[in-house]
Amino acid sequence: DGGITQSPKYLFRKEGQNVTLSCEQNLNHDAMYWYRQDPGQGLRLIYYSQIVNDFQKGDIAEGYSVSREKKESFPLTVTSAQKNPTAFYLCASSTGLAGSNNEQFFGPGTRLTVL
Amino acid sequence: EDKVVQSPLSLVVHEGDTVTLNCSYEVTNFRSLLWYKQEKKAPTFLFMLTSSGIEKKSGRLSSILDKKELSSILNITATQTGDSAIYLCAVVQGGSEKLVFGKGTKLTVNP
Repeated sequence: DGGITQSPKYLFRKEGQNVTLSCEQNLNHDAMYWYRQDPGQGLRLIYYSQIVNDFQKGDIAEGYSVSREKKESFPLTVTSAQKNPTAFYLCASSTGLAGSNNEQFFGPGTRLTVL
Repeated sequence: EDKVVQSPLSLVVHEGDTVTLNCSYEVTNFRSLLWYKQEKKAPTFLFMLTSSGIEKKSGRLSSILDKKELSSILNITATQTGDSAIYLCAVVQGGSEKLVFGKGTKLTVNP
């Protein structure tokens, strides 16, 4: 089955800890994205990557870091510098080709709660 | 600043009603507009609109883009309780290929 997987589904973190959220896709997509969703806020872009070994900051990148060492994987680390990390995190991917219709496919999400 | 605005933010209707959800945008280098339905977890794709005035239909759902007015509407006829969800509108920025999302419209359909 082709798709995007995220793990874990639920994550609890103590204040001051870094945590890493996993995102894997087997759709052979070049582009991958991380969003954060808060109630009443819609989806906000954290980081995105259009190609392996390259990524760009989105609108709310502070307190987060990413890596893109493999095409299939785009892990997100929520660092202790992120002041309000409790949220629902969604990963997405698309073909990423400029000029194409770039429908993004979403993973099931990770709900992070800081205790 | 690029933005996508959806209205209303919340809507409660009865089964069988018809609803119209609105999305307006101010995005540099517009490429296309997408509608998603989000129930509990991952948003699922509904429509992609690139050309003005051409309606896209899928069952009871339909959508149309107006590039002159920088807006789109999503219509749902004969609503059912299963239509209850958050409906997200997003615009693809050409070049960066980023999506700019609106805050969503929360639709509740009561029996």
